Amino acid sequence: AQSVTQLGSHVSVSEGALVLLRCNYSSSVPPYLFWYVQYPNQGLQLLLKYTSAATLVKGINGFEAEFKKSETSFHLTKPSAHMSDAAEYFCAVSGPAAGNKLTFGGGTRVLVKP
Amino acid sequence: DTGVSQNPRHKITKRGQNVTFRCDPISEHNRLYWYRQTLGQGPEFLTYFQNEAQLEKSRLLSDRFSAERPKGSFSTLEIQRTEQGDSAMYLCASSLGTANNSPLHFGNGTRLTVT
Repeated sequence: AQSVTQLGSHVSVSEGALVLLRCNYSSSVPPYLFWYVQYPNQGLQLLLKYTSAATLVKGINGFEAEFKKSETSFHLTKPSAHMSDAAEYFCAVSGPAAGNKLTFGGGTRVLVKP
Repeated sequence: DTGVSQNPRHKITKRGQNVTFRCDPISEHNRLYWYRQTLGQGPEFLTYFQNEAQLEKSRLLSDRFSAERPKGSFSTLEIQRTEQGDSAMYLCASSLGTANNSPLHFGNGTRLTVT
């Protein structure tokens, strides 16, 4: 079975500061990993995905994530936070036999302070 | 690409009533998924279709829940005899192809409140 753990349900950062959201996964097979963002009262929007190509993945809105197999991690970063980054972020895992069914972490809500 | 459309956006119902939600996926997408999201939690998988075939159902999908995708296009999710614990956001997503790394495109959800 696959699972995802996101460390920290809430993160507060100052505008212009580094954003770091942590994600650790558990999977018996090489995983596909995703980060999604959700704004209030909206669905989820794909930020980026890892599918066994480059371990450093660049996504939209200046976000990137690095796959580290030895640490079973896929942390999301953005060098400089913007007010518009305030949202909830979800890490998700899928796998070869999962029917593309995503298993999500519990989410991390990001608050950006001016 | 008009995106995934879900209707209604909000539904308030009394306990014991039946409700039905509709999802229109992106037109060429062959896979369609239903998820449930409660406050402060990540989405939980309910079921998915490939074309008109329902290929997997979560144990979360009790016998009061039924989903259909009769012509491989839009899908409906029906909840019978609603309970207060059914209050949640119901999300629909679609994807193209059969590869397990195809990203899911989500709709804006239907928020159900059972009073």
